[in-house]
Amino acid sequence: EVQLLESGGGLVQPGGCLRLSCAASGFTFRSYAMNWVRQAPGKGLEWVSAISGSGGSTYYADSVKGRFTISRDNSKNTLYLQMNSLRAEDSAVYYCAKDVDSGVAKAFDIWGQGTMVTVSS
Amino acid sequence: EIVLTQSPATLSLSPGERATLSCRASQSVSSYLAWYQQKPGQAPRLLIYDASNRATGIPARFSGSGSGTDFTLTISSLESEDFAVYYCQQRSNWPRTFGQGTKVEIK
Repeated sequence: EVQLLESGGGLVQPGGCLRLSCAASGFTFRSYAMNWVRQAPGKGLEWVSAISGSGGSTYYADSVKGRFTISRDNSKNTLYLQMNSLRAEDSAVYYCAKDVDSGVAKAFDIWGQGTMVTVSS
Repeated sequence: EIVLTQSPATLSLSPGERATLSCRASQSVSSYLAWYQQKPGQAPRLLIYDASNRATGIPARFSGSGSGTDFTLTISSLESEDFAVYYCQQRSNWPRTFGQGTKVEIK
């Protein structure tokens, strides 16, 4: 079964940092680009970041550029999101999502269950 | 960045009725548009990608059309499980963007 399982969310103070992980199973992880998409409580979806299958290319939303870093370890089938200098507006459920086929951030066919990040003092 | 505007914000329909959802892009996205369904407390589900390609396992009552700046998601006959929020998303330009969503509710 194709599955994504996020972890690492929690409560953090403004200016703090957090590292999210997404463990993948059931597909050839290195063959697909991966993404992070977030959703603030009661709000819509916001694409955050993408990484190619090899990890050689990364992309970011302007709202997180310079603060967040996406990475992957293909030997561990795991995707990461390092989040620094966190702000209240970063509070959201963070989903990892697999690309539907070749390309990067084309469309997202498999999603994790999400992990909640709350930035508050 | 490309802004996607979905209309209407809310669509009130009865089971068995046809649903027509619109997504308009602030500039051409060619055919690079996807549609997702999201139910409360769940992750989104991919329905359509590249404007008209149904994702794996998606029922035939869901169809997508359009190109350029105007796109439509049609649900031919609403089932009870189709009442949800629907989002469009473009992959033409960076950053990828989503529309604000259309809620399909039971009338």
